[in-house]
Amino acid sequence: GQQVMQIPQYQHVQEGEDFTTYCNSSTTLSNIQWYKQRPGGHPVFLIQLVKSGEVKKQKRLTFQFGEAKKNSSLHITATQTTDVGTYFCAEMDSSYKLIFGSGTRLLVRP
Amino acid sequence: DGGITQSPKYLFRKEGQNVTLSCEQNLNHDAMYWYRQDPGQGLRLIYYSQIVNDFQKGDIAEGYSVSREKKESFPLTVTSAQKNPTAFYLCASSAEFLSGANVLTFGAGSRLTVL
Repeated sequence: GQQVMQIPQYQHVQEGEDFTTYCNSSTTLSNIQWYKQRPGGHPVFLIQLVKSGEVKKQKRLTFQFGEAKKNSSLHITATQTTDVGTYFCAEMDSSYKLIFGSGTRLLVRP
Repeated sequence: DGGITQSPKYLFRKEGQNVTLSCEQNLNHDAMYWYRQDPGQGLRLIYYSQIVNDFQKGDIAEGYSVSREKKESFPLTVTSAQKNPTAFYLCASSAEFLSGANVLTFGAGSRLTVL
């Protein structure tokens, strides 16, 4: 079945350092979504990417969709303690269900 | 404010007991979902419903049951047949299902612990 590989599993950075998480799929994706879950909280939608090679920015967050639509990345510039949480990518399978990656947990040292 | 309400927030259950988790939304969304999250892991789909009076099994439906009698409500029952029910349960909804923009809104979750 469709699988979403997300790396790394954990990332511990010093405040001010950059952070990147990657999502790779075994199949060509129609679109990909990114969610953030704060510790003890619930996932919150961040963004959706649809077009090949698409790049979107939200303040310090940059989201990219690969040219072949098989991978995506989320990059945070100059992390802050408020960025702490787990970041999930999610892809839609052929039945329109969202399949979530295993997530990357970001820890930020102040 | 529109949103999804899950209750209870915390629930303890003895082995062999069935429990029902409530999920109510006032977003007028057609589709609703139940996900399970284990510590340090991603979200796995239990059941989903595209419209009222219709629902389908997700990837890990064994030991769970649902109903969708009203558009606003999608309760999940964790039965005694579920071998490892201790987990964090998340309910979600989306405006449409058969759409390329299936953006999910999540509730705050229910944490179930089996004693």
